[in-house]
Amino acid sequence: EADIYQTPRYLVIGTGKKITLECSQTMGHDKMYWYQQDPGMELHLIHYSYGVNSTEKGDLSSESTVSRIRTEHFPLTLESARPSHTSQYLCASSEDLGDQPQHFGDGTRLSIL
Amino acid sequence: DQQVKQNSPSLSVQEGRISILNCDYTNSMFDYFLWYKKYPAEGPTFLISISSIKDKNEDGRFTVFLNKSAKHLSLHIVPSQPGDSAVYFCAASASFSDDKIIFGKGTRLHILP
Repeated sequence: EADIYQTPRYLVIGTGKKITLECSQTMGHDKMYWYQQDPGMELHLIHYSYGVNSTEKGDLSSESTVSRIRTEHFPLTLESARPSHTSQYLCASSEDLGDQPQHFGDGTRLSIL
Repeated sequence: DQQVKQNSPSLSVQEGRISILNCDYTNSMFDYFLWYKKYPAEGPTFLISISSIKDKNEDGRFTVFLNKSAKHLSLHIVPSQPGDSAVYFCAASASFSDDKIIFGKGTRLHILP
């Protein structure tokens, strides 16, 4: 079973600040993902990566950016936070083998004032 | 436009009885379907999946049924237990190796004592 960690769990911050949400996994998974979820709504894929130095945008347009310099680490950055960025952000990873399911972290709940 | 629809936001079932969670999809290209379970303040955890070449997949108390002609799938939990109280997300993708998974909005299941 994958161990995947997200920090911080909760963040309340003012408009205009630069924010980095951390995601790390210890299982050596090549594939990693970021989802955004508003309360009572679907999870939307915003970024994914197939491995080091690989990043792709997901189906939902996002002003955030990601990087993948190390296999285990997939941080998400917002250069200038706005109230519209208030949401829950979920990180996931999976093995690069056929039908392996995505394993999720516990999420970061972000509130921009 | 929602491609995966879970039309029941919530469902209450007596402990020991069968829980049936329903899901409809609109995209005929979807070929692989998953169910995830989510407890409050935790990330989703993979529950069960089914490929379109099957119409049923069973794992312990959990069974997923797929009706491709109706574009409908359902998750049966029997017997329902208190620990089954959670939000259940239906999800779909174009193939078992497709990383772009489309999620429904979820159904909150309450197991009543």
